[in-house]
Amino acid sequence: KAGVTQTPRYLIKTRGQQVTLSCSPISGHRSVSWYQQTPGQGLQFLFEYFSETQRNKGNFPGRFSGRQFSNSRSEMNVSTLELGDSALYLCASSFELTGGGEQFFGPGTRLTVL
Amino acid sequence: AQSVTQPDIHITVSEGASLELRCNYSYGATPYLFWYVQSPGQGLQLLLKYFSGDTLVQGIKGFEAEFKRSQSSFNLRKPSVHWSDAAEYFCALGAGNQFYFGTGTSLTVIP
Repeated sequence: KAGVTQTPRYLIKTRGQQVTLSCSPISGHRSVSWYQQTPGQGLQFLFEYFSETQRNKGNFPGRFSGRQFSNSRSEMNVSTLELGDSALYLCASSFELTGGGEQFFGPGTRLTVL
Repeated sequence: AQSVTQPDIHITVSEGASLELRCNYSYGATPYLFWYVQSPGQGLQLLLKYFSGDTLVQGIKGFEAEFKRSQSSFNLRKPSVHWSDAAEYFCALGAGNQFYFGTGTSLTVIP
């Protein structure tokens, strides 16, 4: 069974631009969660999608948004990029909602904002 | 409120020595607990998990963890550390509909 895949692996953008990250979960998994990882803040939960609906949301501004498609693939969008958005963005999938089961993580997308 | 605390930011051990990484959680109900490892520039790999039952959990790469409800702890152990174990280790709590991660412990292994 293929693992969680994230594309692209690396991105370089400039302030003010927008970016879209993609995540393909493990086949059969219905939940996709997104995390931001930075050296200063650690792993911070962005949001979770389950069956195409956002079920949970972390404490991030509205510039961070996401969606999930009928095949469970998910995209995350960040608009009006700021320098502080530079981070490793991790996607994780699970069969159930995250609190009820283990998550499997992708390799991440490294976003650099210049 | 739910939370996870990893008191040790950084630990250095000699190769072949034993290892214990500490994790404390705060949650009113029975927790789901996990340990993940992250190598530089990589995603997180699950080492082991505790859902219920036996409080001593065996994981991959020779790791084990013990759940102690009375101490709200889920410490990770390995009897003999290998140089390849150098990485960042995260303890996580599954509670309600969310995952809560600790801030991580960075492990350095010296030859």
